Amino acid sequence: NAGVTQTPKFRVLKTGQSMTLLCAQDMNHEYMYWYRQDPGMGLRLIHYSVGEGTTAKGEVPDGYNVSRLKKQNFLLGLESAAPSQTSVYFCASSPSSYEQYFGPGTRLTVT
Amino acid sequence: KNQVEQSPQSLIILEGKNCTLQCNYTVSPFSNLRWYKQDTGRGPVSLTIMTFSENTKSNGRYTATLDADTKQSSLHITASQLSDSASYICVVSAGSNYQLIWGAGTKLIIKP
Repeated sequence: NAGVTQTPKFRVLKTGQSMTLLCAQDMNHEYMYWYRQDPGMGLRLIHYSVGEGTTAKGEVPDGYNVSRLKKQNFLLGLESAAPSQTSVYFCASSPSSYEQYFGPGTRLTVT
Repeated sequence: KNQVEQSPQSLIILEGKNCTLQCNYTVSPFSNLRWYKQDTGRGPVSLTIMTFSENTKSNGRYTATLDADTKQSSLHITASQLSDSASYICVVSAGSNYQLIWGAGTKLIIKP
């Protein structure tokens, strides 16, 4: 099992550009999450999904959209990137509302 | 306001020594408390999860304690190894996985 994978690993965007981050899990987990991690701060939840076809807002959803068309994939979109979205993005999945398994992260820089 | 505070921010110890990391929280309602290890450039990996009724839990050389009355937890690392160099993050759940309050972490450096 690959666990949780994220694509891409690194990306540099110009302000105003758009992009999609892909998260895939092969553990058949119902729950998936997108977090951002900034220096000196705890992880913050952007959006999450409790099952295929469902999504919900987390703590910091503004400027991001998500989709969960297939159970194994959770996409995070930035429609118009801003420098404040420079961060490391982590995807996670869990079989229930308990232990989470994290991907390796995507380092995004917006100039 | 729900908060998780960790101390110290960073810690340097010699290989083979023990250390204890602290976590204080003000989270309500309380569901469980977790400790994660995050290596540089990697995602967090779960070490322990403790519910209200558990006051000690071990995972190899890692032992976590929980005092729900004082709202404090600690992570004790015994006989440290170079591979223990990482950030250790305390996380408190207020119910479900989308109600997690994350601490900023303690950066631990083990020197040979």
